[in-house]
Amino acid sequence: QQQVKQSPQSLIVQKGGISIINCAYENTAFDYFPWYQQFPGKGPALLIAIRPDVSEKKEGRFTISFNKSAKQFSLHIMDSQPGDSATYFCAASISGNTPLVFGKGTRLSVIA
Amino acid sequence: DSGVTQTPKHLITATGQRVTLRCSPRSGDLSVYWYQQSLDQGLQFLIHYYNGEERAKGNILERFSAQQFPDLHSELNLSSLELGDSALYFCASSVQGIGSTDTQYFGPGTRLTVL
Repeated sequence: QQQVKQSPQSLIVQKGGISIINCAYENTAFDYFPWYQQFPGKGPALLIAIRPDVSEKKEGRFTISFNKSAKQFSLHIMDSQPGDSATYFCAASISGNTPLVFGKGTRLSVIA
Repeated sequence: DSGVTQTPKHLITATGQRVTLRCSPRSGDLSVYWYQQSLDQGLQFLIHYYNGEERAKGNILERFSAQQFPDLHSELNLSSLELGDSALYFCASSVQGIGSTDTQYFGPGTRLTVL
């Protein structure tokens, strides 16, 4: 049973464009939603995270939009750069340091 | 650098063998999580330890076991290895308790290849 569904599987964006990755979750007990970035040969690294009490969180070029009623959240990467080319994972958990449930990942390629 | 260390980086072994993967959490972190990453299953939670005690189990096979030692490092033991166990194994650590942010910091992983 996949509790967090992520789309698309892969994404190609022009340099300077906006990359958008979407996730949907099923468990309404989830209240912590992080996004991780993973480069080949490296471990996932936390990019940005959000909790359900806000609908949007922005850190630099990265923004999470959160829709609690639809049980969906998305990552927007503004002014995408070739250095952003990586695999992005959304995840969800229940507060209190519980295991993360990950989406399947999105491979982003930013081309010049 | 997340501050989480894992050894070895690569491990190549044969079916039926047993291996031990090691993880040292960030200084001060009491929680250690183990995840398996494979192409078809993505990142899947295996097991969680907090301050030496097992807290949660995920999709961990009976052939796999783990422990967390008094110095907080953790080991994941994989036995009777099968070809399908070939994957990347990550550990992650987090602070737990007052001031916790739920952030999990991942190590660089151990790539296991079973031939």
